[in-house]
Amino acid sequence: DAKTTQPPSMDCAEGRAANLPCNHSTISGNEYVYWYRQIHSQGPQYIIHGLKNNETNEMASLIITEDRKSSTLILPHATLRDTAVYYCIVRSRGAGNQFYFGTGTSLTVIP
Amino acid sequence: KAGVTQTPRYLIKTRGQQVTLSCSPISGHRSVSWYQQTPGQGLQFLFEYFSETQRNKGNFPGRFSGRQFSNSRSEMNVSTLELGDSALYLCASSLDQGLSYEQYFGPGTRLTVT
Repeated sequence: DAKTTQPPSMDCAEGRAANLPCNHSTISGNEYVYWYRQIHSQGPQYIIHGLKNNETNEMASLIITEDRKSSTLILPHATLRDTAVYYCIVRSRGAGNQFYFGTGTSLTVIP
Repeated sequence: KAGVTQTPRYLIKTRGQQVTLSCSPISGHRSVSWYQQTPGQGLQFLFEYFSETQRNKGNFPGRFSGRQFSNSRSEMNVSTLELGDSALYLCASSLDQGLSYEQYFGPGTRLTVT
């Protein structure tokens, strides 16, 4: 299964864009990149996912490099409510479709 | 659409007892997965059910079991509870199997074993 590497923590000023990086250098061609976030003691919240192309929805944008070895989650205008742990996950058919959650990035949005 | 619901939200049990947790998926979702979250181990996959069949199982002892009903609702059972089973148990539902289908998580059941 493709492993992901994320910085353990990041800060972002309120109102600015938060750019969360993820490295997945061993990703295979049919594996998807997913992003979830978890606010303390709540269930993880789905944000976005993609295979090859960049994706955007009402919450965020996902930028995947052309070689697919890394990706960036962009929260365009961070608010205090975006303070959470963000998980980058590569989902593999070989893993039985399950999600492997690593340790994620703890994002703190500063007023 | 209502989200994933889990009952009960909080539970306190004594070592040696058994417990049953319930999960109602989003309407129309056929896949239900269960996860355990602890401070030391993080989020770990327990098992997945699809159309009443267990499709995949994580690395947990046989004391952990589950089932899915014809309406896609799911239950998980933990027998002979141990102190280490204290955790947040999360249920997630998905429209279908397949890598492109996202999972939506419920709020979790906080189990404390004393």
